[in-house]
Amino acid sequence: SSELTQDPAVSVALGQTVRITCQGDTLSSYYARWYQQKPGQAPLLVIYDKNNRPSGIPDRFSGSSSGNTASLTITGAQAEDEADYYCSSRDSSDNHLRVFGGGTKLTVL
Amino acid sequence: QVQLQESGPGLVKPSETLSLTCTVSGAPISRHYWSWIRQPPGKGLEWIGYIYYSGSTTYSPSLKSRVTISIDTSKNQFSLKLRSVTAADAAIYYCARDVLGVGIDYWGQGTLVTVSS
Repeated sequence: SSELTQDPAVSVALGQTVRITCQGDTLSSYYARWYQQKPGQAPLLVIYDKNNRPSGIPDRFSGSSSGNTASLTITGAQAEDEADYYCSSRDSSDNHLRVFGGGTKLTVL
Repeated sequence: QVQLQESGPGLVKPSETLSLTCTVSGAPISRHYWSWIRQPPGKGLEWIGYIYYSGSTTYSPSLKSRVTISIDTSKNQFSLKLRSVTAADAAIYYCARDVLGVGIDYWGQGTLVTVSS
């Protein structure tokens, strides 16, 4: 089955731009979805299919993809963006399966 | 507004079966895929599997031998059974809606399941 690799932790100064990456062979075939999870809460979908935002997600969140790497960019990070971020995609061996990355803890300084 | 709510025992004994139900409101269950995802305390998300309203299921290979997901469209509910649990199965269990071409757009609040005798 596929694996998605994320950096465990990333930090960003308030108001600056941060990129969170997700690597995996399956990403050369399928788009990544990105989920934000704050402590004690269920995850929240913030980006789907490369660079689409569900209703209510601020436009400072954007997605991109190149080869086997997907990225979530937060332009002008806010204090409320401090959270864990998970990428997810289909499994390259069986596209009915779903796989999550290990998550990246974002700290806003 | 779509809402999902997990219910079931919060404590399961080792070797027994974990059983959870997810009640969906605000949307018919007769569309989309309905998923179970779990998260051990302090750890990452793990996809367990999903079911389509027709009853077609797909499970994570790592759990396939122990998992059954079923659906009751008359009650707008779907359920998870995980057999022969061990301490490694202790986690927050989330039910969620998976929309093709979008992703998991609605989640339940999650329910903590502890495995202990």
